[in-house]
Amino acid sequence: GESVGLHLPTLSVQEGDNSIINCAYSNSASDYFIWYKQESGKGPQFIIDIRSNMDKRQGQRVTVLLNKTVKHLSLQIEATQPGDSAVYFCAENRDQTGANNLFFGTGTRLTVIP
Amino acid sequence: EAQVTQNPRYLITVTGKKLTVTCSQNMNHEYMSWYRQDPGLGLRQIYYSMNVEVTDKGDVPEGYKVSRKEKRNFPLILESPSPNQTSLYFCASSLKRGLYEQYFGPGTRLTVT
Repeated sequence: GESVGLHLPTLSVQEGDNSIINCAYSNSASDYFIWYKQESGKGPQFIIDIRSNMDKRQGQRVTVLLNKTVKHLSLQIEATQPGDSAVYFCAENRDQTGANNLFFGTGTRLTVIP
Repeated sequence: EAQVTQNPRYLITVTGKKLTVTCSQNMNHEYMSWYRQDPGLGLRQIYYSMNVEVTDKGDVPEGYKVSRKEKRNFPLILESPSPNQTSLYFCASSLKRGLYEQYFGPGTRLTVT
């Protein structure tokens, strides 16, 4: 079946190193992708998005890469900080009617080691 | 401050006792949605609304109802809660239908015994 998933459920990195969180999707018709960060006890918080007509988008300390050929999405966090520790979700918009219905992966827990 | 609010944040109830979780946004967003979050399953959409008086089912609508009488409010109603509805619930909103970022509320942790 179709799924939005993550290669690794947990990731530990040293403070100051770069982090890469991966996400695989299987619906080639998906045209919009978002990365969310969820800290303990809080709701998901938008980090960055990318539309399918792009392959790279940069924000502040974050970059999202989209490889439509292999249906792969990644989130790169530069100079990871303790405040980056959280669960990260990728989400894809599969609904071609424009209803803005997102399908979420199960998440990757990022732990930053001081 | 632009935000999505939910109430209550925590609720423990018994099987069969009707409850409502409120959701309100102050950003004049057209689109609102409810999700539940369960370990290992991620976020799954329950219902969504593209505008006032327009609602539709998401992936897991069974056992839930919603209404959208006003643009800012989107309550989630459990007419007869059951233990399998024990979960963490999130309300979200976005500017309009289409490819727009969704803003999430802080969550409501519901336990049904």
